[in-house]
Amino acid sequence: SQQGEEDPQALSIQEGENATMNCSYKTSINNLQWYRQNSGRGLVHLILIRSNEREKHSGRLRVTLDTSKKSSSLLITASRAADTASYFCATDGGNNDMRFGAGTRLTVKP
Amino acid sequence: DGGITQSPKYLFRKEGQNVTLSCEQNLNHDAMYWYRQDPGQGLRLIYYSQIVNDFQKGDIAEGYSVSREKKESFPLTVTSAQKNPTAFYLCASEAYWLAGVPGELFFGEGSRLTVL
Repeated sequence: SQQGEEDPQALSIQEGENATMNCSYKTSINNLQWYRQNSGRGLVHLILIRSNEREKHSGRLRVTLDTSKKSSSLLITASRAADTASYFCATDGGNNDMRFGAGTRLTVKP
Repeated sequence: DGGITQSPKYLFRKEGQNVTLSCEQNLNHDAMYWYRQDPGQGLRLIYYSQIVNDFQKGDIAEGYSVSREKKESFPLTVTSAQKNPTAFYLCASEAYWLAGVPGELFFGEGSRLTVL
């Protein structure tokens, strides 16, 4: 079964704006990860946040984790047209079986 | 360069035929995964393997089979029992299983299977 659910399903913004995507999950986790997928390609790992961390940064990416609400958010600042892709959160199901949500399709207009 | 190689990239199959998708990694990773992705959808777990000669069913294993005879290889067979096999199939590997906590997954570029 799907562990994570991303919100919104689709997001369209202008270049330079910030993009925020949310992920909710159902069970306890060891960590939560965010991935990016360009159309028709494999997924690329962006960032991993452990269950005892609340916030993590990597370049223009900022991830937060609220284990009490079982939710995470991914913020992309100063977005670029090249950020256009689908973004997925993934969590471990307790047996090292990584499960993904349905993703957020981000379109950044130049 | 290290990475995961999936082949073929595109595959066409007639109904009733079995097909095998290849996944090879030279990252020395212990864990490997197969996911299915339908258009505009997320990834659904088919099978995963944490160690050689061992594998577990994911959420949608029916109609699929796998083997893990070598650390580097985790082929997926789509059998004729899979009623709707047309999809994009993604293989991934992961390094940190033996540490007990899942880590970053490395993905191949996918195999697109179309049933004619």
